[in-house]
Amino acid sequence: GQSLEQPSEVTAVEGAIVQINCTYQTSGFYGLSWYQQHDGGAPTFLSYNGLDGLEETGRFSSFLSRSDSYGYLLLQELQMKDSASYFCAVRPPGGSNYQLIWGAGTKLIIKP
Amino acid sequence: DSGVTQTPKHLITATGQRVTLRCSPRSGDLSVYWYQQSLDQGLQFLIQYYNGEERAKGNILERFSAQQFPDLHSELNLSSLELGDSALYFCASSVYGQETQYFGPGTRLLVL
Repeated sequence: GQSLEQPSEVTAVEGAIVQINCTYQTSGFYGLSWYQQHDGGAPTFLSYNGLDGLEETGRFSSFLSRSDSYGYLLLQELQMKDSASYFCAVRPPGGSNYQLIWGAGTKLIIKP
Repeated sequence: DSGVTQTPKHLITATGQRVTLRCSPRSGDLSVYWYQQSLDQGLQFLIQYYNGEERAKGNILERFSAQQFPDLHSELNLSSLELGDSALYFCASSVYGQETQYFGPGTRLLVL
């Protein structure tokens, strides 16, 4: 089957760095995406890794290693507003429907 | 603001009833996706439409149906509602050929 695994919850301190991991069991995919969702809000796109390596966007970076079936989202200089749930998602191969498979989400709790 | 609109924002109804949720995708996006998110749960993919045609089905109950109209707006119909159908229902849209999905604000359904 195809599945993505993320920790259910991560706690960090304001100003610190936190890494949210996403491991997957799927026979290939096109890319790894990350979305952020605040409580009661809609998921919003954060980043996409189409190739192995690190992608940086401001305080957020995302990494993908296909050989290790592993990716992560790195958040630096944490701010209280970063408290949210973070979802990883992949598009499996086959077909042209661009449907995504989603991880269950990681709730990031930031303490002052 | 993602550019995706959903109505209504909130909906309260009784068991056994039928409701219709509406979604208008971003201008130019031909793909529409519907998701269900129960309290503190992940995103459950329901169904995808592309340019009026059904493209992919997820864990959508037989009591649920959807369609996409020529003007590309989509409707999700939920019938014979049960208490367990209470959830946030999100619509997302994307440009064909791209994985990034843009989510609407969601419809919060409460079945009493």
